Amino acid sequence: DVKVTQSSRYLVKRTGEKVFLECVQDMDHENMFWYRQDPGLGLRLIYFSYDVKMKEKGDIPEGYSVSREKKERFSLILESASTNQTSMYLCASSSPGGGETQYFGPGTRLLVL
Amino acid sequence: QKEVEQDPGPLSVPEGAIVSLNCTYSNSAFQYFMWYRQYSRKGPELLMYTYSSGNKEDGRFTAQVDKSSKYISLFIRDSQPSDSATYLCAMSAQNDYKLSFGAGTTVTVRA
Repeated sequence: DVKVTQSSRYLVKRTGEKVFLECVQDMDHENMFWYRQDPGLGLRLIYFSYDVKMKEKGDIPEGYSVSREKKERFSLILESASTNQTSMYLCASSSPGGGETQYFGPGTRLLVL
Repeated sequence: QKEVEQDPGPLSVPEGAIVSLNCTYSNSAFQYFMWYRQYSRKGPELLMYTYSSGNKEDGRFTAQVDKSSKYISLFIRDSQPSDSATYLCAMSAQNDYKLSFGAGTTVTVRA
């Protein structure tokens, strides 16, 4: 079974803090994704990576950066957390090629105070 | 207009009823269609996967794709309280590893 794990299930941070969210997948997938999920807005793509050290902006990259130093690990960084970044963050991975299903981690609920 | 439209509900049905969910889309290039189930405070899990048009059945679940109408459906027969969740449709085009998601429909099955 594909396994995608995220470093924290719940996180509380203060405004202005630097926040790291870690994601690890064990299926040797090339593609990895970071989404945020908010009520009424659905899943929105923040960044994705199709290879080590490669990244592309998604639909809402502002205020976020990412790092992919190893194939299995994809990190989302909030350089200076703000209250409007309070959300559920979901990591996913998939094999290369079109139409490949994405496998999701359990999510991290981030609260920025 | 959103690329994928999905009625957020909520939908409440008695146990044993048939649940009918659907999504419409505007991008005619979409070829791959998925349904994900997401329990409260959990990540989405893949439920059904369909390529192009047609039907696919897996136990109590049936997925239908009508590309001519740009319309996909998910049916849950003999619904159980354990089916209570949010159901998300997702789709992608050939050679595109990004998915376009619907907003999700929240379903409650009453015992």
